[in-house]
Amino acid sequence: DSGVTQTPKHLITATGQRVTLRCSPRSGDLSVYWYQQSLDQGLQFLIQYYNGEERAKGNILERFSAQQFPDLHSELNLSSLELGDSALYFCASSVTSGGGSSYNEQFFGPGTRLTVL
Amino acid sequence: ILNVEQSPQSLHVQEGDSTNFTCSFPSSNFYALHWYRWETAKSPEALFVMTLNGDEKKKGRISATLNTKEGYSYLYIKGSQPEDSATYLCALIKAAGNKLTFGGGTRVLVKP
Repeated sequence: DSGVTQTPKHLITATGQRVTLRCSPRSGDLSVYWYQQSLDQGLQFLIQYYNGEERAKGNILERFSAQQFPDLHSELNLSSLELGDSALYFCASSVTSGGGSSYNEQFFGPGTRLTVL
Repeated sequence: ILNVEQSPQSLHVQEGDSTNFTCSFPSSNFYALHWYRWETAKSPEALFVMTLNGDEKKKGRISATLNTKEGYSYLYIKGSQPEDSATYLCALIKAAGNKLTFGGGTRVLVKP
């Protein structure tokens, strides 16, 4: 158990809908990262937050957004869902951000499997 | 596009045998390299973070080396056991605080 929690574990929804994925980092970790793993693709970095502020952005679609709250939990919002958004979404956390994050391992949550029908 | 390549894609190993596989990356873009182990139905788990050319790290029967000048890292498993069966991912950071770019992984299956 990494100490990172994600809810829900599974989510099935229809095209055009909007969903929210939730992540609670390990106690003491200030950085939260979101990753997507689609079929036939490796883990793709979406976005990073550090202590409530966006720090780095990857190939995140405009239909997707995220935020980190004062209690450090994070939510990833996916809207106008398409079939291709079906994937496993991971949240990870680490202690630091900036240069420090390069040297700190990331701890991954169990993931949320999203199925868009 | 930052290419992080892992080879082979998959590997079958007899229990007790040792094995190794490669993570390749552009040598001009290096800040740190992470190795993760990802068992089926679980989440990726960190093995090593490597930062210096010539780094060697070890955790139990698993070890890794790093050559930043030629752009590769090797992961070794000594005396493979069935519980070593997993996908091993490497991930590159090309600049301080930058995102992790993952390779496609090497899937290792250890046969009893």
